[in-house]
Amino acid sequence: AQSVSQHNHHVILSEAASLELGCNYSYGGTVNLFWYVQYPGQHLQLLLKYFSGDPLVKGIKGFEAEFIKSKFSFNLRKPSVQWSDTAEYFCALNRDDKIIFGKGTRLHILP
Amino acid sequence: KAGVTQTPRYLIKTRGQQVTLSCSPISGHRSVSWYQQTPGQGLQFLFEYFSETQRNKGNFPGRFSGRQFSNSRSEMNVSTLELGDSALYLCASSPHGGAGPPGEQFFGPGTRLTVL
Repeated sequence: AQSVSQHNHHVILSEAASLELGCNYSYGGTVNLFWYVQYPGQHLQLLLKYFSGDPLVKGIKGFEAEFIKSKFSFNLRKPSVQWSDTAEYFCALNRDDKIIFGKGTRLHILP
Repeated sequence: KAGVTQTPRYLIKTRGQQVTLSCSPISGHRSVSWYQQTPGQGLQFLFEYFSETQRNKGNFPGRFSGRQFSNSRSEMNVSTLELGDSALYLCASSPHGGAGPPGEQFFGPGTRLTVL
């Protein structure tokens, strides 16, 4: 069973549009959740993480994500995207001492 | 600090051959994980090493193996290569130092393996 589901495989937006990328997970235990980003030609890097505490977490470059335990979701948001946000985004969680990644969402921002 | 380095960056092999990939973690990081990235399957966890011991393993056949040295450098070996092994192999290191799951991971650039 897929532990991490990213609903949108490919998203196209215009600059200044708002962004929300969905991530749902299937695991009943305590979770640590992550969003990673892979810009074209660059390494995967961490955008933000949730371990405990405030369910609204802020990351780099204006990104934020909200952990909603009742919905098993950890959606990524940004109020106004820029052309430089074009990248592939991966949601991930710790499960059974392993990091499990979603299949990724390719985001393309039109200038 | 230097980042995670992986060698070689590109590799072309033929079916049936074997290959060894190398990863040097960030200085001080003792946890090293390996992933296979393909367009269809995304990132799939291969295994994690901590202090020279394999701590976790994903669902890959025994042809995929690895090891970690005392300086935390890690190697991954794939024997009897198949066409489906063509992928980007990523290594990630973590500063996590004890029991429990690794936290934030720092990724290398990957080794692009093509099997002909």
